[in-house]
Amino acid sequence: QLQLQESGPGLVKPSETLSLTCTVSGDSISSRSSYWGWIRQPPGKGLEWIGTIYYSGSTYSNPSLKSRVTISVDTSKNQFSLKLSSVTAADTAVYYCARLRAARQFDYWGQGTLVTVSS
Amino acid sequence: QSALTQPRSVSGSPGQSVTISCTGTSSDVGGYNYVSWYQQHPGKAPKLMIYDVSKRPSGVPDRFSGSKSGNTASLTISGLQAEDEADYYCCSYAGSYNVLFGGGTKLTVL
Repeated sequence: QLQLQESGPGLVKPSETLSLTCTVSGDSISSRSSYWGWIRQPPGKGLEWIGTIYYSGSTYSNPSLKSRVTISVDTSKNQFSLKLSSVTAADTAVYYCARLRAARQFDYWGQGTLVTVSS
Repeated sequence: QSALTQPRSVSGSPGQSVTISCTGTSSDVGGYNYVSWYQQHPGKAPKLMIYDVSKRPSGVPDRFSGSKSGNTASLTISGLQAEDEADYYCCSYAGSYNVLFGGGTKLTVL
């Protein structure tokens, strides 16, 4: 059974960089039919796609966040990571990692991790 | 990219049917048959309920069905049950490996 687990600091200071890692178990991150994504959800609000990565390292990001987002993959550890720079309070959210099958539907999700931006 | 448009809330009584709409543009919903729907209970991660407009993953009850006409996709839940009360989100492929979510709809089972 595929499982994803987010990890990283729960508190980040304004203007700093948010860093999260997603560890995948039960499937190879190098599976050719799988893409891997980050989604966030501010408290009480809806879902927002942040970006997607393929095991080859190809990345695709939400145009509204693109200038601040870096997504990378470590196939040796079966992990992929998110970095979001210059954070503000508006970046406070539950961050989810998920698998995208065929690059278009999120079929497996992590449990999510709350990241708060505050000094 | 603007979020897909969903009604803020819908409601129905047990046993009834409800339909949630999801309106986009010809660049997303209307341009691809790649709309998916997610159910989210409070404090939980979203769960895939429908993909590719109308396909159900294994384990999802056939009470859940999806369709699309033009730039609007719809999720219909028939035979409403108490456990269906949740938030529902649509999502569409928008080209160039981009995806777009709807704003979400709160379903209340009366």
